[in-house]
Amino acid sequence: GDSVTQMEGPVTLSEEAFLTINCTYTATGYPSLFWYVQYPGEGLQLLLKATKADDKGSNKGFEATYRKETTSFHLEKGSVQVSDSAVYFCALAGGGIAGGTSYGKLTFGQGTILTVHP
Amino acid sequence: DTGVSQNPRHKITKRGQNVTFRCDPISEHNRLYWYRQTLGQGPEFLTYFQNEAQLEKSRLLSDRFSAERPKGSFSTLEIQRTEQGDSAMYLCASRAPTFRQSGPEAFFGQGTRLTVV
Repeated sequence: GDSVTQMEGPVTLSEEAFLTINCTYTATGYPSLFWYVQYPGEGLQLLLKATKADDKGSNKGFEATYRKETTSFHLEKGSVQVSDSAVYFCALAGGGIAGGTSYGKLTFGQGTILTVHP
Repeated sequence: DTGVSQNPRHKITKRGQNVTFRCDPISEHNRLYWYRQTLGQGPEFLTYFQNEAQLEKSRLLSDRFSAERPKGSFSTLEIQRTEQGDSAMYLCASRAPTFRQSGPEAFFGQGTRLTVV
């Protein structure tokens, strides 16, 4: 079945440091890939997405590129801020037949806690 | 667009009691999902509705769990005879119809945190 593996956490950085959170996946077909962010006590917010190989998703300074050859979707940001402190989840939506009963169901990684200090 | 709404935000219940949660998806989103998230883990899929039809259920959804979406709009998730292991965050998400060619992303509510004591 589908699976997502994220780098072991937590990650602690100083403000303005470079961030990488690794994510690899296993899936059949051509899944869509996502990064979601969760702030304390809140639900999940979509951070960025990519729907096909070599697509680059970007938002709020974060970027991730869909690499089919390495089955990866690593999250990067050049300069983190204290406000970026949160839990980050890599996820995939199975690339089944459009309209199929499992289309859109998300499989998540275990999450990576990011703490940014001033 | 008011987003996905879940109620209540928090629920504390005694073991053995029944609880019901409600999810109001984004209007015109025909796809609705329930997930469960335990501490330190990513969300796990529970069940999926397309309009009013429940089309997929995870094996995580034991006989004590039941979900409905009677008119294809809001959904309810009921847990009967709650156990301490049911303590978790229950998340609802909705997605637009594929034929509208909107993105594949799902939008999540803020969740209902259940504590069984």
